[in-house]
Amino acid sequence: GAVVSQHPSRVICKSGTSVKIECRSLDFQATTMFWYRQFPKQSLMLMATSNEGSKATYEQGVEKDKFLINHASLTLSTLTVTSAHPEDSSFYICSAVGAGGRYEQYFGPGTRLTVT
Amino acid sequence: QKEVEQNSGPLSVPEGAIASLNCTYSDRGSQSFFWYRQYSGKSPELIMSIYSNGDKEDGRFTAQLNKASQYVSLLIRDSQPSDSATYLCAVTGSGGSYIPTFGRGTSLIVHP
Repeated sequence: GAVVSQHPSRVICKSGTSVKIECRSLDFQATTMFWYRQFPKQSLMLMATSNEGSKATYEQGVEKDKFLINHASLTLSTLTVTSAHPEDSSFYICSAVGAGGRYEQYFGPGTRLTVT
Repeated sequence: QKEVEQNSGPLSVPEGAIASLNCTYSDRGSQSFFWYRQYSGKSPELIMSIYSNGDKEDGRFTAQLNKASQYVSLLIRDSQPSDSATYLCAVTGSGGSYIPTFGRGTSLIVHP
């Protein structure tokens, strides 16, 4: 149980285009999902907290107009990187909080974004 | 500022030995504690959770929590080369908040 999927696993796009990443909880309902970014050999950086049916809460320094998050259902959250630039190239990982009330997070496999 | 501290390592142990990974946290109100394993180029995987003082064992893994000392550890018995990864400590639950604070991770190398 507690499986989280992400799609796509890898994407290459041109500078100035937008990319959408999907995160799905496959066997449980997740009222809360998190979006992280991780640069090579660095720690996880929390970008935003996504709650079903409400606006996402962004961490300080993360541009909400650039990283659009939508959590339209209890099993799906999406992150859209708008007008991507090479510096946005990174490993984007989502996680979903389990329903047990103990705050366990289950991570998706991640999406590697390369902006050329 | 909530902080979670881990020694970045690398911690190098021989195959079959016990690996001991440590983590301290600053927020005394924290309620939930987790260990994640992250292989290079992959996303983190939850391996242990602990919520009350004492030890919790799951297979070769034992998590230890001491809230008075604000300290949580992970022991890996009979370490295998496949255990070589970065281990992330995460803390949450203070004031009912589900937003996690992660440590920077400890790199573990198990050599044959």
